Amino acid sequence: QKEVEQNSGPLSVPEGAIASLNCTYSDRGSQSFFWYRQYSGKSPELIMSIYSNGDKEDGRFTAQLNKASQYVSLLIRDSQPSDSATYLCAVKSGGSYIPTFGRGTSLIVHP
Amino acid sequence: GAGVSQSPSNKVTEKGKDVELRCDPISGHTALYWYRQSLGQGLEFLIYFQGNSAPDKSGLPSDRFSAERTGGSVSTLTIQRTQQEDSAVYLCASSRLHGGTSYEQYFGPGTRLTVT
Repeated sequence: QKEVEQNSGPLSVPEGAIASLNCTYSDRGSQSFFWYRQYSGKSPELIMSIYSNGDKEDGRFTAQLNKASQYVSLLIRDSQPSDSATYLCAVKSGGSYIPTFGRGTSLIVHP
Repeated sequence: GAGVSQSPSNKVTEKGKDVELRCDPISGHTALYWYRQSLGQGLEFLIYFQGNSAPDKSGLPSDRFSAERTGGSVSTLTIQRTQQEDSAVYLCASSRLHGGTSYEQYFGPGTRLTVT
């Protein structure tokens, strides 16, 4: 059973701070990792993908992957109230076309 | 370009009726997925289509659920004899395939199904 674990939160951070969202996974054969943002009442929206160990930056977002420790994280710099949403982590094994999603972490950025 | 589209956006039906939900994927995306998300819950995988291959139906919760994909593009999810527990948001996603690997999924806006 492939598992993807996320702290459900809510994670509350002040505006302008760095929000750190974490995700651990059980399948060592995982090769593709994705972060989605889901606003209340909306569908998931892709933020970024990461496939190799290390950091990947896109604007205010940085994804960090550590395959040895089986975790992937998402850092949001200069957090804004508009970043308040649920963040979903998805992990896909090399031999599968179907990613496993975590339950998501609720982020609240307060002014 | 155009994203994934789904219709209807909302559907209210009576218990026992059949419903059809439609998904039009991003042009060129050969992989198509259906998910269900109940209120406050995570994403529940239902079915996966890849090109002309047989679909992966491993997530369908019962034989009342079925789906087809015509011409490798538009997909229809059918729920027969709907039950109140079928009430949820049904999400469709598509992704491209390259070299046997599927990449990022892009989700449609979803269909909110309410069974009364």
